[in-house]
This record gives sequence, C-alpha cells and structure tokens, in this order.
Amino acid sequence: DAGVIQSPRHEVTEMGQEVTLRCKPISGHNSLFWYRQTMMRGLELLIYFNNNVPIDDSGMPEDRFSAKMPNASFSTLKIQPSEPRDSAVYFCASSLFFAQRFYEQYFGPGTRLTVT
Amino acid sequence: AQKVTQAQTEISVVEKEDVTLDCVYETRDTTYYLFWYKQPPSGELVFLIRRNSFDEQNEISGRYSWNFQKSTSSFNFTITASQVVDSAVYFCALSERTQGGSEKLVFGKGMKLTVNP
Repeated sequence: DAGVIQSPRHEVTEMGQEVTLRCKPISGHNSLFWYRQTMMRGLELLIYFNNNVPIDDSGMPEDRFSAKMPNASFSTLKIQPSEPRDSAVYFCASSLFFAQRFYEQYFGPGTRLTVT
Repeated sequence: AQKVTQAQTEISVVEKEDVTLDCVYETRDTTYYLFWYKQPPSGELVFLIRRNSFDEQNEISGRYSWNFQKSTSSFNFTITASQVVDSAVYFCALSERTQGGSEKLVFGKGMKLTVNP
C-alpha cells in the first residue's frame, strides 16, 4: 500500500519566491494534517482538514501561508512570499476519523525547505 | 488545553541496555488517545502505538513495551535490550478534541535516544 506521498522532497528557493508543497494522503483517509518541524520549535501543527474542509488553521504562521484540499486525494501548502525563517521540514499526515474515534496519523517523508 | 511532557530531552545508552522513555500528559477529556512515534535519522515519522484511555492494559511488541497509568497520567515506553537501530527521536502524543467534534494531536518535544555499540 502506498503511504502518504509528498513532493518535492527537497526545495531550495530564494527569499520572495512562491513555494508550493504537495501531498497525496493514503486512500480512504478523511483527515489530512500539515506540520512544520524545526529545531527551535519542534513539531507544529499548521492546519488540518476533515473531509476536505479546513477545520483549524490557527497554527498557520501568517497570511503568507495558505493550504487547500480540492479533493480527497490532494492537498497543497503554499508560501508566498517565502522568507528564510520558513526554512524547515514540512510534513503531511493523514488519518481516518470516523464515528468519533480517532486513529493514528501516518506521516509522509517530508519536504525539506530551504529559503536563502 | 492538552499538554504532553517528555522531561528527558536526550538519553545515551550502550547496546543491550534497557531504556525507558517517560511521557506525562494533561487533559480534561474523559476519552482520549495516546500515541508514540519514532523519528529515525532518516527523518520520517513512524507510528508505533495508539492507546485508548479506557484500555489500561500494558502492551508488549517484541522488544517494545508500553506502560499506561491513568492514575499518574503517564504513558511510558520501554525498549528492552536496545540496539543501535533504536537510535532515534521518540515523540509521545495526545489527542485533543476540537470544536465540531474533530480531533488533532498534541506532540511532546521529543526525546533523542542514542544507542552506542
């Protein structure tokens, strides 16, 4: 079975450029999460979706960040314009949320973003 | 709000030693879930276990075991006869119910385990 797929795996860009990270969740999962991991702040939840609907985006740092989930099999996280402090590993995770029971999240391999 | 505390930030052991990773949590929910994840040097996050708050039975999976004690709000993880491949950062996590009935995970800061040959 394919796990969560993320692309690109590595992204190096210059400050001010637009960056788009992509995620394909595990088929059948109805919840999708975007996280950011840095040494200083650890693992932070940015936003998550249930059935393609954004539920909580309180973790999104600022208006430069936006996320969409146009269908059950695809999500994007966009940073525009990017800044050096956005450099981090961005993880996408998916899980099944059903009948008020919460199941484990499965993580993608991450996208390592470097903004110079 | 929910909180997960992993007091140990880094542990170093010699191969074949047993090691216990501590996790203490705070929650107001009566039903909740606890998780452990492993992040090896390659960077991916690997799911290890999920435990329902109503199930206090300890669990063993090979060299891994988990001790869930509701009375002390702890969910500790023990690796028996550690191996070099166990070297990783280990995260404990707690489910948090949000508005609308959905749930998200609250992660601890992680604990870096180094197993030396």
